[in-house]
Amino acid sequence: DAGVIQSPRHEVTEMGQEVTLRCKPISGHDYLFWYRQTMMRGLELLIYFNNNVPIDDSGMPEDRFSAKMPNASFSTLKIQPSEPRDSAVYFCASSVDSYEQYFGPGTRLTVT
Amino acid sequence: GQSLEQPSEVTAVEGAIVQINCTYQTSGFYGLSWYQQHDGGAPTFLSYNALDGLEETGRFSSFLSRSDSYGYLLLQELQMKDSASYFCATGTASKLTFGTGTRLQVTL
Repeated sequence: DAGVIQSPRHEVTEMGQEVTLRCKPISGHDYLFWYRQTMMRGLELLIYFNNNVPIDDSGMPEDRFSAKMPNASFSTLKIQPSEPRDSAVYFCASSVDSYEQYFGPGTRLTVT
Repeated sequence: GQSLEQPSEVTAVEGAIVQINCTYQTSGFYGLSWYQQHDGGAPTFLSYNALDGLEETGRFSSFLSRSDSYGYLLLQELQMKDSASYFCATGTASKLTFGTGTRLQVTL
């Protein structure tokens, strides 16, 4: 298996623009997680899905953030409109059990 | 909710042994996991303790004491490539909360 795949790897955008991050989980994994990592706040869980259904989105910062998982092999995290404080590395992870998660390479987002 | 505390930085010499501690407070407990993250990389799973005691995987071992809400990661025969950040994590059966991470610097 190729592991968790994320795209793009780097994204630079201007404030106010829409940003869409993409993730392909490992086949057979029931759980998919979206995390954000910054120096100040560490690794934060934004939202997670089980069997394509959003279970807990309490970590989503605000209404500008939304996530979807239309099928078992694809998920998106959208930020609209983006702001400079959204600059971070966004990771997608998948797993069978929560304790052993497999992370993608991440998307480094810079909002200017 | 969950909160986990780790030292922010640890420095050790190549070939030595280092222990990274983690204390946690949690409303529910589903074991303690450890992850490694190199600069610019993604977190990778190292170990998991569901029960008290020591789990060994090669040069790495992880220990858990549920009565003390405490665990540690033990790295033996340190190598330069072990320089990275190490995170403990706990949570429920479906999601994890990560600690703030310990940055390990291995020196010659």
